[in-house]
Amino acid sequence: GAGVSQSPRYKVAKRGQDVALRCDPISGHVSLFWYQQALGQGPEFLTYFQNEAQLDKSGLPSDRFFAERPEGSVSTLKIQRTQQEDSAVYLCASSPPGQGGFEAFFGQGTRLTVV
Amino acid sequence: QQQVKQSPQSLIVQKGGISIINCAYENTAFDYFPWYQQFPGKGPALLIAIRPDVSEKKEGRFTISFNKSAKQFSLHIMDSQPGDSATYFCAASPNTDKLIFGTGTRLQVFP
Repeated sequence: GAGVSQSPRYKVAKRGQDVALRCDPISGHVSLFWYQQALGQGPEFLTYFQNEAQLDKSGLPSDRFFAERPEGSVSTLKIQRTQQEDSAVYLCASSPPGQGGFEAFFGQGTRLTVV
Repeated sequence: QQQVKQSPQSLIVQKGGISIINCAYENTAFDYFPWYQQFPGKGPALLIAIRPDVSEKKEGRFTISFNKSAKQFSLHIMDSQPGDSATYFCAASPNTDKLIFGTGTRLQVFP
């Protein structure tokens, strides 16, 4: 595909359930980012990968949040024991070599609703 | 702690008018300032960006003005069109790989 692909587009989870959100970055992009966007707010940084290495996870709000990118391509954001405050759009972005976060291309996001 | 403050929260402009959105930052380590455009149900898309070594950058109808001493930067959309109606986010990067976003401005351009 031409752009960053995220799945599922929508996810409804019962409180306490575990969820896994997938991101397929643009082919050849070594940097991958996860952001959380609450309703009516700007995206907030969660974590950053360069290839398979997670270089920054300072934005993950709790130890219930876990991200991985084992082969340096597809990434998964996992949220354990979901809470209502986890309801948000989760955005994935990737950027080409040498750009870091500067020229980041975003996917359409996964809207997570915890009920 | 909000590191990038954006205003106004919403903006209504008539077609052909100028839309102006302002942002202010606190961290002098920021060295990259992009603007993103987001349509409903879509991810943000990079519109235009500037580094602090220049005071202005223009791309088509979009211009960033940057005031390093005041720690402020703004987006000007000339000849605003209904298709420009979207939410605009300023952002800043502290020479690392994360972007710190403002809270967004919802722009509506009426014909």
